[in-house]
Amino acid sequence: GQSLEQPSEVTAVEGAIVQINCTYQTSGFYGLSWYQQHDGGAPTFLSYNALDGLEETGRFSSFLSRSDSYGYLLLQELQMKDSASYFCAVRSLDSDKLIFGTGTRLQVFP
Amino acid sequence: DTEVTQTPKHLVMGMTNKKSLKCEQHMGHRAMYWYKQKAKKPPELMFVYSYEKLSINESVPSRFSPECPNSSLLNLHLHALQPEDSALYLCASSQDTSFSGNTIYFGEGSWLTVV
Repeated sequence: GQSLEQPSEVTAVEGAIVQINCTYQTSGFYGLSWYQQHDGGAPTFLSYNALDGLEETGRFSSFLSRSDSYGYLLLQELQMKDSASYFCAVRSLDSDKLIFGTGTRLQVFP
Repeated sequence: DTEVTQTPKHLVMGMTNKKSLKCEQHMGHRAMYWYKQKAKKPPELMFVYSYEKLSINESVPSRFSPECPNSSLLNLHLHALQPEDSALYLCASSQDTSFSGNTIYFGEGSWLTVV
């Protein structure tokens, strides 16, 4: 099976940089993706790492290291609107399932 | 149009009621999903439809019955639910079940309360 662990909560101030980690145990997967979900809203896709290394999309970057079974989402120049829950997710090699991590609630303070 | 539309947004039902949740997408996606999400928890996969055929049922109780009338529509029929079934039900779609880039698109969800 697969399990993806994230810190339950992270706090930061506006303008800061924050890193949300995702450590996983899985027999094999296609890539690591990240979703953002505001309270009362739908999860929305943020980024995807098919290969090891860093992917940058504006203020957000995501990193994957398969050898370390580890990935992270890096949020720069934090804004109040970034307060949300963030989920890492993988799709295993042997199924059609997208499995989500435990989720991290980010609170950004002024 | 990158929308997945779900109705109703809120539903309150008794344990003896029969109701349905509906989901629609017009992106030409051939894979559709139902997820259940409890407060402060990640979405949990319930069902996957691939090309209008049920490909995954995550051992969901039979009081939840999915239906895919066509490639754009996905329903979830509810009958004899329990209070612990109260949750946010999310519909999602992707181009197909290989969903290149792991990108799936979620609807806003239907908030279900069972009383």
